[in-house]
Amino acid sequence: DTGVSQDPRHKITKRGQNVTFRCDPISEHNRLYWYRQTLGQGPEFLTYFQNEAQLEKSRLLSDRFSAERPKGSFSTLEIQRTEQGDSAMYLCASSFGGGYTGELFFGEGSRLTVL
Amino acid sequence: GQSLEQPSEVTAVEGAIVQINCTYQTSGFYGLSWYQQHDGGAPTFLSYNGLDGLEETGRFSSFLSRSDSYGYLLLQELQMKDSASYFCAVNQDDKIIFGKGTRLHILP
Repeated sequence: DTGVSQDPRHKITKRGQNVTFRCDPISEHNRLYWYRQTLGQGPEFLTYFQNEAQLEKSRLLSDRFSAERPKGSFSTLEIQRTEQGDSAMYLCASSFGGGYTGELFFGEGSRLTVL
Repeated sequence: GQSLEQPSEVTAVEGAIVQINCTYQTSGFYGLSWYQQHDGGAPTFLSYNGLDGLEETGRFSSFLSRSDSYGYLLLQELQMKDSASYFCAVNQDDKIIFGKGTRLHILP
């Protein structure tokens, strides 16, 4: 295991469909973060976990978004009833401990296109 | 809430030095990080300042002034491969919040 992996790398879906993304963090990392990034913008915080506990979810995130990390290892991000505005790169990152070094290790992302 | 401000674009010449500034407003501040992202790639960590002062890592240095809510990233001996977007990010209660990024253009 050399890094954070995300699946799928690309997803094209029709408006109204549900999509799910998976993230496998670096194995010894207990913090896991989800971000959304659109072209020309910085990563936008969505939610983060310590082990299996979801510590915070962005207030900007609608109820159509949900994330889980059931056993404190991999995580899933589900978007229900997708909208064209959900088209973006969804990035997962992990870190060890309390994140006090500010260092996150990012996966290559899952690009979502909603038609 | 929180906000971070950094210039949207900076242009510099190969071999020169460039400074990218970042100002922030946030509660629960632990420190300031810098990330680099090439087109089509994932953000990669460059440096972190938890305390006031300068941190140096090779050609890159980062500075933090907590009293001024200000930091900067200094890139020396610029190379064409440094053309990328650079993000400052605040560590707010262990939640990492990113700025909108600065696009660095390097001229030969």
